[in-house]
Amino acid sequence: ETGVTQSPTHLIKTRGQQVTLRCSSQSGHNTVSWYQQALGQGPQFIFQYYREEENGRGNFPPRFSGLQFPNYSSELNVNALELDDSALYLCASSLRDVGGTDTQYFGPGTRLTVL
Amino acid sequence: AQSVTQLGSHVSVSEGALVLLRCNYSSSVPPYLFWYVQYPNQGLQLLLKYTSAATLVKGINDFEAEFKKSETSFHLTKPSAHMSDAAEYFCAVSLRGGFKTIFGAGTRLFVKA
Repeated sequence: ETGVTQSPTHLIKTRGQQVTLRCSSQSGHNTVSWYQQALGQGPQFIFQYYREEENGRGNFPPRFSGLQFPNYSSELNVNALELDDSALYLCASSLRDVGGTDTQYFGPGTRLTVL
Repeated sequence: AQSVTQLGSHVSVSEGALVLLRCNYSSSVPPYLFWYVQYPNQGLQLLLKYTSAATLVKGINDFEAEFKKSETSFHLTKPSAHMSDAAEYFCAVSLRGGFKTIFGAGTRLFVKA
């Protein structure tokens, strides 16, 4: 158990809809990263939030957006869902120190299916 | 830019045999390196990490990995495989002070009785 929780566990949406995924970070962590893991592939970095600000972004379109709240919990929002958005979405929390981001601890993920 | 290559999408070993999962990385500066394990329908669990201390890193469940700069490798080993080791293993790299972690495509380990 990493202390990182995600909700919901599973979600089914229709193409064109919008979805919000939630993540609760491990206690004491100030950084959260989101990853998309398509079936049979490694996780792909979406973006990272540090102290409520987006700190970096991977190669994902603007319809992927996020928020980090004062308690360091986080949301991932995806608009205009496409079939290719079907994947496991992983949240990872970490404690940023002066040397950079420390080890990431992953939640169990949210399985999104887009029909 | 950093990248990670895991050699072999599938590896099969007998119970009790040596486990060797291969990972090569590319990075223009000294990296952080990680191995994660993922069981079906679960998130990623950290096995071990390299952050420039000892080049031989010991992790959980008797896994270890050796950082070899000259070979740009970070292979994962375990002396004796257990049935419970059957899972997907991911090698990952990040930069000191960087904000993202790059994962390999994964290697699925099968353990035969």
